[in-house]
Amino acid sequence: AQKITQTQPGMFVQEKEAVTLDCTYDTSDPSYGLFWYKQPSSGEMIFLIYQGSYDQQNATEGRYSLNFQKARKSANLVISASQLGDSAMYFCAMREGDFGNEKLTFGTGTRLTIIP
Amino acid sequence: EAGVTQFPSHSVIEKGQTVTLRCDPISGHDNLYWYRRVMGKEIKFLLHFVKESKQDESGMPNNRFLAERTGGTYSTLKVQPAELEDSGVYFCASSRRGGREPKRYEQFFGPGTRLTVL
Repeated sequence: AQKITQTQPGMFVQEKEAVTLDCTYDTSDPSYGLFWYKQPSSGEMIFLIYQGSYDQQNATEGRYSLNFQKARKSANLVISASQLGDSAMYFCAMREGDFGNEKLTFGTGTRLTIIP
Repeated sequence: EAGVTQFPSHSVIEKGQTVTLRCDPISGHDNLYWYRRVMGKEIKFLLHFVKESKQDESGMPNNRFLAERTGGTYSTLKVQPAELEDSGVYFCASSRRGGREPKRYEQFFGPGTRLTVL
């Protein structure tokens, strides 16, 4: 079974609208963390936001927030007031286990295109 | 601070040849990771160094791949001999050891090396 599933290969969104990028995960480890990375056309991977499995509140970083629903094993990324510069590939990723086991498992990504 | 750098940015080689990819992590980052993305598929973990030691190499596909990290600084990933299925983008990432969440888990990625095997 896929550990990280991103069901939206591509999305088109009007500028200034909010965007939700879906991510579901599968793990039996009680300690894990979820990441979102942005990959613009230039190729670099940019860290956006992190949610630990024991965090009580949803993570927020500026216009980014992570809608963490533990029981449903989902960690959707919400981008408020989208901008043209948000057009990029977005990857959801997970680490499992405690400190020392830090490899990331990635989803296949969602290509987001913001329309002016 | 300077980010993670990778060299070369692109490499085109023929099947059977050898290629060596280099990664320079952020200064002071003990953790160094290699990942790769084969066309259209997810990014997959290859291995993890802590300083010069291999912490986890469970993702290395076969013995044609050899990774080293000299003196706990830069790392090289050698593919010998290269096969067609090795084509893809190879990413390097680095992170600090220790600290509090989420910083201790944040991995900083380089721009990747795009490898094409013909």
